Amino acid sequence: DTGVSQDPRHKITKRGQNVTFRCDPISEHNRLYWYRQTLGQGPEFLTYFQNEAQLEKSRLLSDRFSAERPKGSFSTLEIQRTEQGDSAMYLCASSLEINEQFFGPGTRLTVL
Amino acid sequence: DQQVKQNSPSLSVQEGRISILNCDYTNSMFDYFLWYKKYPAEGPTFLISISSIKDKNEDGRFTVFLNKSAKHLSLHIVPSQPGDSAVYFCAASASGKLIFGTGTRLQVFP
Repeated sequence: DTGVSQDPRHKITKRGQNVTFRCDPISEHNRLYWYRQTLGQGPEFLTYFQNEAQLEKSRLLSDRFSAERPKGSFSTLEIQRTEQGDSAMYLCASSLEINEQFFGPGTRLTVL
Repeated sequence: DQQVKQNSPSLSVQEGRISILNCDYTNSMFDYFLWYKKYPAEGPTFLISISSIKDKNEDGRFTVFLNKSAKHLSLHIVPSQPGDSAVYFCAASASGKLIFGTGTRLQVFP
């Protein structure tokens, strides 16, 4: 399977703990995006990379959130000092063209 | 400020009939529009897209129509099949990042 993969698929953590998610994009895709989806809403943009450069960050991405794409391949999204409001599905997408993004299965985070 | 709106949270259609899902947007700077389909516990799956310079794009059973003057797009699925039952999101592109609507749950019954 050569689609976008995300790990883990599910994460349960206690409030105040740090969590890190990984995304592996489709291999030839140079753009990588992170979105967050909560119940009843569409995905909301968090940040995106072109190769290893982080080009845009949403105001939703507080200083507790950090994303990296060190070699322009896989990416990690870290949330420090998790809060209950961080509970959501975290989606990663990648693209070659500027518009058509292909999504991974997501990581569902539950903060207790 | 919801820039992309899907005002119908759900739609129920009989198998074989046409499904029409609607989407409205407010930002005239959007230059590309996409439809995604989502099953529970999975990521969105890309269906079809349209550039703002076109008014129609067709791919098999799926056709997207864009009315720029009304800032409205629609997705037509014909004929509808039970496997089409899912949540459908429209999205608009602004400099690469996607702005999504809240989704429409389509149920296709036999």
